[in-house]
Amino acid sequence: DGGITQSPKYLFRKEGQNVTLSCEQNLNHDAMYWYRQDPGQGLRLIYYSQIVNDFQKGDIAEGYSVSREKKESFPLTVTSAQKNPTAFYLCASRSTLNQPQHFGDGTRLSIL
Amino acid sequence: QKEVEQDPGPLSVPEGAIVSLNCTYSNSAFQYFMWYRQYSRKGPELLMYTYSSGNKEDGRFTAQVDKSSKYISLFIRDSQPSDSATYLCAMIVNDMRFGAGTRLTVKP
Repeated sequence: DGGITQSPKYLFRKEGQNVTLSCEQNLNHDAMYWYRQDPGQGLRLIYYSQIVNDFQKGDIAEGYSVSREKKESFPLTVTSAQKNPTAFYLCASRSTLNQPQHFGDGTRLSIL
Repeated sequence: QKEVEQDPGPLSVPEGAIVSLNCTYSNSAFQYFMWYRQYSRKGPELLMYTYSSGNKEDGRFTAQVDKSSKYISLFIRDSQPSDSATYLCAMIVNDMRFGAGTRLTVKP
């Protein structure tokens, strides 16, 4: 089945630690996205990538970093500079600009 | 003013009721409109996708778009407890813009 796989489902971060969230898709989509979802605030765009080896900051990129070395993979690193990282993180992809995005099932990140 | 406004609810209805969920938007350039359903601790799943004014029906779900009023709606007929979820509207001009989501509970 084609889809987007996010791992792990739950992740805990210690103070001063960087953590990496995985996102893999087998839909052959060019564009991939990372969102943060907080209660009552909807989806906020962190980073997106339209093509391999290229990515752009979204609305709340500070404290996060990404890479796009392969078409299928778009990992997100939450750095120690992100002071309020507790949230639900969603990865999405889409084939072309006018097509809807498809989402993974998210990673919930919490602070220890 | 946000580009996409959606009443966050919560909305609670009895089983069998007709549910109406709504979004308004400010950017007349939006051309494509979507509704997503998100269950707790899951990612959003696409319910409806439309690009023209008027109605689109899929089973118990009807999506309505009124571009002149910059208003979109999702109607759920014969609502079921399994419809309890958060519903997000979304729109595309180049990038996608999402509403904040409306939390719906259908009580048996």
